[in-house]
Amino acid sequence: GAVVSQHPSRVICKSGTSVKIECRSLDFQATTMFWYRQFPKQSLMLMATSNEGSKATYEQGVEKDKFLINHASLTLSTLTVTSAHPEDSSFYICSARDIGRIMNTEAFFGQGTRLTVV
Amino acid sequence: KNEVEQSPQNLTAQEGEFITINCSYSVGISALHWLQQHPGGGIVSLFMLSSGKKKHGRLIATINIQEKHSSLHITASHPRDSAVYICAVLKKSSGDKLTFGTGTRLAVRP
Repeated sequence: GAVVSQHPSRVICKSGTSVKIECRSLDFQATTMFWYRQFPKQSLMLMATSNEGSKATYEQGVEKDKFLINHASLTLSTLTVTSAHPEDSSFYICSARDIGRIMNTEAFFGQGTRLTVV
Repeated sequence: KNEVEQSPQNLTAQEGEFITINCSYSVGISALHWLQQHPGGGIVSLFMLSSGKKKHGRLIATINIQEKHSSLHITASHPRDSAVYICAVLKKSSGDKLTFGTGTRLAVRP
């Protein structure tokens, strides 16, 4: 089946630093990738939709200058948490759609990144 | 009220039991996903349904479009099935975005 690789799986950083999270589709091309945030025991919250070659679309309430998204190729999207603060500590997960499939409503998820800001 | 509701929120079962998790939604959809999230956080897509029924191993998913309801069944449950099961729908009105239920936390005891 299709595989989405997310890296790193865990990261601890100091307050004020920036952290980059990568999301790669390993065996398919993805024009659209999604970035989610999940707080403990809560459901996934969509942060932004990342489109290859164009600007990301952010959900209401998500700061685009704080959560920078780049989707430079059909297989890679990155989320950079800039000037991280302890309240940014969370679980971040990406998903991607396979444009090559007829039923391209299928979603494939990365393994997630647990970010801890100290 | 959430557009996607799951029940139960928490479920504890004994190994071997038949398990049913329910999902009701209140919007028009083009597809419904059942996802499995393990304690480590990674999410696996179990099924994507737009009608009828699908089976994979011990897992069965059904959907009734008219009643806006889907069920996930696990036969002969096993401790390794312990996870959070999430129902997510692709709303006709929101393009590619998934709308998630709050999840059902399943614990299967040996």
